[in-house]
Amino acid sequence: GENVEQHPSTLSVQEGDSAVIKCTYSDSASNYFPWYKQELGKRPQLIIDIRSNVGEKKDQRIAVTLNKTAKHFSLHITETQPEDSAVYFCAASKGDSSYKLIFGSGTRLLVRP
Amino acid sequence: NAGVTQTPKFRVLKTGQSMTLLCAQDMNHEYMYWYRQDPGMGLRLIHYSVGEGTTAKGEVPDGYNVSRLKKQNFLLGLESAAPSQTSVYFCASSYLTFQETQYFGPGTRLLVL
Repeated sequence: GENVEQHPSTLSVQEGDSAVIKCTYSDSASNYFPWYKQELGKRPQLIIDIRSNVGEKKDQRIAVTLNKTAKHFSLHITETQPEDSAVYFCAASKGDSSYKLIFGSGTRLLVRP
Repeated sequence: NAGVTQTPKFRVLKTGQSMTLLCAQDMNHEYMYWYRQDPGMGLRLIHYSVGEGTTAKGEVPDGYNVSRLKKQNFLLGLESAAPSQTSVYFCASSYLTFQETQYFGPGTRLLVL
């Protein structure tokens, strides 16, 4: 079945540096790829998403890139700040008619001040 | 506008007991979901609903039942709780499809002894 692999599982960066989280998916028919951020003890919240008809999308300090041929997509956070510390989840829609989301296992990002 | 709410916030059950988790949303969303979150496993879809009176199985439906008698409410039932169902349960909703922002509730932490 559909599988989404996410790497790394933990990431520690210095404040101001960039952070990159990568996900690969198995279903070539997947066409929607959201990223959710979950702060400690809080609910997941959508931070950015991308559809298969574009290769890159930016929103201030965050960007997502998609490589459909290689079936992978990445989250890029520039000029990291301590408040970026959280767990980040990628997801991919299933290619069947349900379009259910399959989530990756999460990346714990720690931004050191 | 409360968004998505869940009750209870925390519950301890003994093996074999039953309980119902309640999710409510006030955003007039058609789609509602129940996920479970376990360490290192991301969010896994248990059941979902595409509208009032409908339910469908997700990726991990065994041991759970759901009902959506009213558009704003989505109930998750455990008929005979097992220790493997110890988890954090998140309800979410979206307006019309899987492929748009899912708004999550605050979560219910369930411990089955």
